[in-house]
Amino acid sequence: EVQLVQSGAEVKKPGESLKISCKGSGYSFTTYWIGWVRRMPGKGLEWMGIIHPDDSDTRYSPSFQGQVTISTDKSISTAYLQWSSLKASDTAMYYCVRRVPNGAFDIWGQGTMVTVSS
Amino acid sequence: QSVLTQPPSASGTPGQRVTISCSGSSSNIGSNTVSWYQQLPGTAPKLLIYSNNQRPSGVPDRFSGSKSGTSASLAISGLQSEDEADYYCAAWDDSLNGPVFGGGTKLTVL
Repeated sequence: EVQLVQSGAEVKKPGESLKISCKGSGYSFTTYWIGWVRRMPGKGLEWMGIIHPDDSDTRYSPSFQGQVTISTDKSISTAYLQWSSLKASDTAMYYCVRRVPNGAFDIWGQGTMVTVSS
Repeated sequence: QSVLTQPPSASGTPGQRVTISCSGSSSNIGSNTVSWYQQLPGTAPKLLIYSNNQRPSGVPDRFSGSKSGTSASLAISGLQSEDEADYYCAAWDDSLNGPVFGGGTKLTVL
């Protein structure tokens, strides 16, 4: 079964760092782009960025450039999303997604809820 | 404010046909394909339509998509209670060099 499995929910304080993960299985991980999508409470979906696991070519949404870092370790079929200094406004559900050649996001992770509160 | 514009809400009664619109521009819908996603309460989004009007295997043929110019639509026929969800359109944007989403439409089955 093709799937993306994300790390568990996190509760952090403002200013702390965080790295969440997304492990792919059931397919060749280096073949497809992996993206990250944010959904803030009561809001819609926002694309954050995308990475190609084979060569780590990374593109960021202008809204998230410099705010987060997307990386990958192809040896363990895992993509990462990290923050160096969290803010309360980073509280949201984060999804990793697989992008197929036709442009659609065909596989979604189950989501990682990040809560930032003092 | 989202790059693609959707109505915030839509509704219908069981058995009815409802459509959800998605409006964009020449840099996104006008020059790239559209996909649609369904997000049931408490779950991750799921691909519903890709390449404007193609359904992944397992998606009922009650769901259909279309595109004309810089707009797209999702139609749901034979509405069922389990269709109550948030629906999002998406397309690649050549100016942003990345995908853009609509703001989402909350579908209520009355």
